[in-house]
Amino acid sequence: ETGVTQTPRHLVMGMTNKKSLKCEQHLGHNAMYWYKQSAKKPLELMFVYNFKEQTENNSVPSRFSPECPNSSHLFLHLHTLQPEDSALYLCASSQIRGSISYEQYFGPGTRLTVT
Amino acid sequence: AQKVTQAQTEISVVEKEDVTLDCVYETRDTTYYLFWYKQPPSGELVFLIRRNSFDEQNEISGRYSWNFQKSTSSFNFTITASQVVDSAVYFCALSVRNSGYSTLTFGKGTMLLVSP
Repeated sequence: ETGVTQTPRHLVMGMTNKKSLKCEQHLGHNAMYWYKQSAKKPLELMFVYNFKEQTENNSVPSRFSPECPNSSHLFLHLHTLQPEDSALYLCASSQIRGSISYEQYFGPGTRLTVT
Repeated sequence: AQKVTQAQTEISVVEKEDVTLDCVYETRDTTYYLFWYKQPPSGELVFLIRRNSFDEQNEISGRYSWNFQKSTSSFNFTITASQVVDSAVYFCALSVRNSGYSTLTFGKGTMLLVSP
């Protein structure tokens, strides 16, 4: 596997279900991100992990719970979601070094539908 | 706060035409980075270019070229001799350094449709 992978690619869940999205990066990066992309909205940053520590939580509802067990893996645990949470969820990774902003590399995304 | 504006929501061209995608940004930081990403129908964002605020040299990569002008806070992207495979949504993004990590502020994207 190369780059950033995400599973599953598609997910349909009811509002009472619990599911998890998985992301894995094979680039040796030390930062990972979760983004939400809804129709007709800009990409929204949800969470940032830098060296496995969460450094940003962009006022995301508690029904989204991230987990970063190591610098290569990132999870997004979902529970009691709402229909408006239906979106494409993108994972990304990048290198953090000094004061330089390196580019983020994205996975293919998980298309989530909440029914 | 940072802001990126891509005023063109959708552009349609015929193959072999040149097309320019506009990007205007706002930031109070003197050190920042600008990016362009391509998102084909498959959904994955593909990194195209990164440019820092101290380097105003224009860049050319094959049929792609980028024009960075700090005086107008613009970072425009031109595709020469467009092809059907260029059809995608293109995002411009801005990053400033922030306490140990960097976050991207994205524009709303421009959908480019290239027809045969």
